Amino acid sequence: EAGVTQFPSHSVIEKGQTVTLRCDPISGHDNLYWYRRVMGKEIKFLLHFVKESKQDESGMPNNRFLAERTGGTYSTLKVQPAELEDSGVYFCASSQGGTGLAGELFFGEGSRLTVL
Amino acid sequence: LAKTTQPISMDSYEGQEVNITCSHNNIATNDYITWYQQFPSQGPRFIIQGYKTKVTNEVASLFIPADRKSSTLSLPRVSLSDTAVYYCLVGDMFSGGYNKLIFGAGTRLAVHP
Repeated sequence: EAGVTQFPSHSVIEKGQTVTLRCDPISGHDNLYWYRRVMGKEIKFLLHFVKESKQDESGMPNNRFLAERTGGTYSTLKVQPAELEDSGVYFCASSQGGTGLAGELFFGEGSRLTVL
Repeated sequence: LAKTTQPISMDSYEGQEVNITCSHNNIATNDYITWYQQFPSQGPRFIIQGYKTKVTNEVASLFIPADRKSSTLSLPRVSLSDTAVYYCLVGDMFSGGYNKLIFGAGTRLAVHP
């Protein structure tokens, strides 16, 4: 079974440009999360989708970040326009849905974003 | 949201047992304790999860005292490949999904030959 996949693995862009990161969760997982680690800092929560709905987006840093999950399958995270402080590694994770114990959160390998 | 405190780093040798303790004094009734492992250039990987007492799987054991204000991850007979960062996370797992898990700095474990 395929795990959580993220694309691209590494993106280098200039300040002011736009970048779109994509995450394909494990098939059948209703919950999809975005986290990020900026240089030297801890991994921080960005937002949580349940199917196609945003459950919690309190971690999104500002309105330059836009996350979507069309049809409740894959998700995209767009940064527009990118700033230097956006550089870091963006992780996507997914987990099964339901009302019981959430269990394991499966992470992708991350998309490294470098803004010059 | 419960905050966790772990040692910044630990050193061990191959074949030894490693115990990493995490403090979570403000843990809430619905919170579960979960440990993740992360290797360089990879995403965190689930190790073990528990609510109270002891949980064991093929990789590790998790000890949680009655007051649940701390927990200890035990890795038996570590090998060089266990060198990684280990995160202790506390979160409400009864919402059909994780509720904004907070990653701390983690514990950087170095296993030496």
